[in-house]
Amino acid sequence: EAGVVQSPRYKIIEKKQPVAFWCNPISGHNTLYWYLQNLGQGPELLIRYENEEAVDDSQLPKDRFSAERLKGVDSTLKIQPAELGDSAVYLCASSLQGISYEQYFGPGTRLTVT
Amino acid sequence: DAKTTQPNSMESNEEEPVHLPCNHSTISGTDYIHWYRQLPSQGPEYVIHGLTSNVNNRMASLAIAEDRKSSTLILHRATLRDAAVYYCILVSGSARQLTFGSGTQLTVLP
Repeated sequence: EAGVVQSPRYKIIEKKQPVAFWCNPISGHNTLYWYLQNLGQGPELLIRYENEEAVDDSQLPKDRFSAERLKGVDSTLKIQPAELGDSAVYLCASSLQGISYEQYFGPGTRLTVT
Repeated sequence: DAKTTQPNSMESNEEEPVHLPCNHSTISGTDYIHWYRQLPSQGPEYVIHGLTSNVNNRMASLAIAEDRKSSTLILHRATLRDAAVYYCILVSGSARQLTFGSGTQLTVLP
């Protein structure tokens, strides 16, 4: 069974440029999560989807971050414009319906903003 | 959300058992105890979870104190590939997110 796929694995951009990350969850997983992980810290939730609906986006900085999950499968996270402080690893995870099921994480996208 | 407390780091020798502690004194009756680990340059990986009784799976065992205010993740025979950050997380039925702390960095010595 294929795991959670993320691309790109690495991205280097200049500040004020836009950037997008893509995630393909495990087949059949209705719940999708985007996390941000700063160096030396645990992941922090940005947004959670149940099918196509964003059910928890309270920690998503909506002035520059946006996300979508069309057709309840793949998802894209966008930052526009990027700032130096956005340098981090962006992780996507999926699970069966609901928060209590185990989450499967992708390898993450390491973003460097210069 | 209820908080967990873990040591910042631990060391173990290869092929010996490892006991990773977690304190969660404010746990509520409906909170599950989940453990994840994160190997270098990878996303976190689910290890095990439990509610009240001790749990075993192919990766590890979870021992939960009778009062549920602490738990211990047990790796029965550490290998070099077990070197990772281990996170203890409380998950309630009404949880909106997995709240990761800073975890325990496990170093396995050959």
